[in-house]
Formats: sequence, C-alpha cells, structure tokens
Amino acid sequence: GAGVSQSPSNKVTEKGKDVELRCDPISGHTALYWYRQRLGQGLEFLIYFQGNSAPDKSGLPSDRFSAERTGESVSTLTIQRTQQEDSAVYLCASSPEGRTDTQYFGPGTRLTVL
Amino acid sequence: AQSVAQPEDQVKVAEGNPLTVKCTYSVSGNPYLFWYVQYPNRGLQFLLKYITGDNLVKGSYGFEAEFNKSQTSFHLKKPSALVSDSALYFCAVRDIRFQKLVFGTGTRLLVSP
Repeated sequence: GAGVSQSPSNKVTEKGKDVELRCDPISGHTALYWYRQRLGQGLEFLIYFQGNSAPDKSGLPSDRFSAERTGESVSTLTIQRTQQEDSAVYLCASSPEGRTDTQYFGPGTRLTVL
Repeated sequence: AQSVAQPEDQVKVAEGNPLTVKCTYSVSGNPYLFWYVQYPNRGLQFLLKYITGDNLVKGSYGFEAEFNKSQTSFHLKKPSALVSDSALYFCAVRDIRFQKLVFGTGTRLLVSP
C-alpha cells in the first residue's frame, strides 16, 4: 500500500516568505508526527497529533511554526516569515492506533531559505 | 529528559566483516529503543525496536541490536556487512510515558568492497 507522502519534495523560498508543507499519512493511521532534520544533525521533534486529542506542540521552535491536521488525514506545517536557519529537511511520520511505538516516515521536504 | 548519544559520526568496515554502530541512551523510565536507516534522498526506514523481553533484537536486512540496561546501550550489529548497507543510521529512544521519539545525531556507515 501507499506509504507516507510529502509535498513538495523541494522548496526554495526567500527569507521572510511563508511556506506550507504537506503530509499525507498512511490511510488509517491515527498518529502523525513532524520532525526537522538540519544538515549534519539528528531529527528534532516538532509536533504530534493523535486522533482528536490536543496536539503535543512542545517541539515547535517558535511561534512562526504551526501545524494543522484535518481529522485523521492530511497535515500541513506552516512556517511564517522564514529565516535562513529554517533551512532543513522536514519529515512527517505516521503510526496506526495503538502502535505508536513504530513510526513510518515520508521522504521529507527539503526547505531552502535564501 | 530523554536523550540518545551516537558517539561515532562515521563507521568504516570492509564488506564481509562484522559491523557495530554504537548508541547509548538516557531516560527516566523504561525505554523504548529504535534503530532507523536513511538511504540517500529517501526517508527513514524502521530497522528494529526493543520494547521488552529478550535483550537481543533481530530486525530487517540481517541487523540485530543488543539492549544492555546496565550500560544503557543499544548497539546495532550485523555479522557480515554488505556494500548496500552504506547509509545513515539513527538510534532513537522513547520514554513510555511520551509519544515522541528522541533521535541521535546519526552515524554514517561506509562499507567498502
């Protein structure tokens, strides 16, 4: 079956512009996660959605970052007024209900802020 | 706070030789431990996990990992490396009280022919 998909695969933007990154989780997966991977660094947790529960936003680095999820499907990560330090690969993952110990990752969106 | 350390940025081995990629962790409760692999221009792929039970965990592509509670380690191993194993490997830990994974900085494995 289809895995986690993300779009766009690459995004180049100018400093100060807003960007939206999209994630389509595996159908039926209730949990969805966003991570950021900076060059040469590990993955940083950003935000976690689980069903209708309030999301865990503890990893969002600033109020310029926000994310939404429509039901148990698509999620959008929005970065406002992008800065050069936002350049990274943004990874989305999803998990089935009751099995949040295993996360399935998408290919990521490479964001470059000029 | 949860944390994971991967002390080696890079590991080089010759094809056919055994390989070890090191990982140590720190959590306040019982850990869930994971290894993921990232091939160039691809997302992370799950390799294996330790939740409870046997300390030796077997995973995909012939990899295994040994959970050592006293040393707080979860090293990834493979008896005989393949050139195709060359990739970036991430160790991750989750405290059972929380849902998010905390990843290490990654270790690049290079297997030479």
